[in-house]
Amino acid sequence: DQQVKQNSPSLSVQEGRISILNCDYTNSMFDYFLWYKKYPAEGPTFLISISSIKDKNEDGRFTVFLNKSAKHLSLHIVPSQPGDSAVYFCAARWGNDYKLSFGAGTTVTVRA
Amino acid sequence: SAVISQKPSRDICQRGTSLTIQCQVDSQVTMMFWYRQQPGQSLTLIATANQGSEATYESGFVIDKFPISRPNLTFSTLTVSNMSPEDSSIYLCSGIPGFKTDTQYFGPGTRLTVL
Repeated sequence: DQQVKQNSPSLSVQEGRISILNCDYTNSMFDYFLWYKKYPAEGPTFLISISSIKDKNEDGRFTVFLNKSAKHLSLHIVPSQPGDSAVYFCAARWGNDYKLSFGAGTTVTVRA
Repeated sequence: SAVISQKPSRDICQRGTSLTIQCQVDSQVTMMFWYRQQPGQSLTLIATANQGSEATYESGFVIDKFPISRPNLTFSTLTVSNMSPEDSSIYLCSGIPGFKTDTQYFGPGTRLTVL
């Protein structure tokens, strides 16, 4: 049962433009959300996170938005750079249970 | 951030054999986990590696198939036993450092191919 869903398997964006990645979840117990970036042959690298008590968290070019009523979060990358080309995973957890549930990932390609 | 290394980085194994994957963290972590990423799929949690006691397995994963050890706060092993081609995956360990519990760091993964 997939509790975290990323319905767009791929995204292509031009360099300098905004990349928007979406993630939906079904478990209302989730209270902490993370985005990871993964290059081929490497492990996932933590990017940014957000707690359910917030609706926005920003770190440089990366902003994550959380809409709890819709059980939806999104990651914005502005401006997109060629080095951002990677697979992005959305993950969620709840309470003191630190186990992560991952989405299927979105492959981002930034075109020069 | 915590730096996590895994050995081996990749291996090709014969059906019916076993492989032990090592995970080393450069600092003490409160929790360690093992995940699997099958081809074209997302990461799935196998188990939580508990220090000095038996691992806690997720539904669909059993100790006989995936025995796990964690003798101290910085080291863990995962064994994939009696392998079949369906075990071909990337296996990743992760850790949550004591100084930053809101973030989980991952190792580079071990790419396993079973013939």
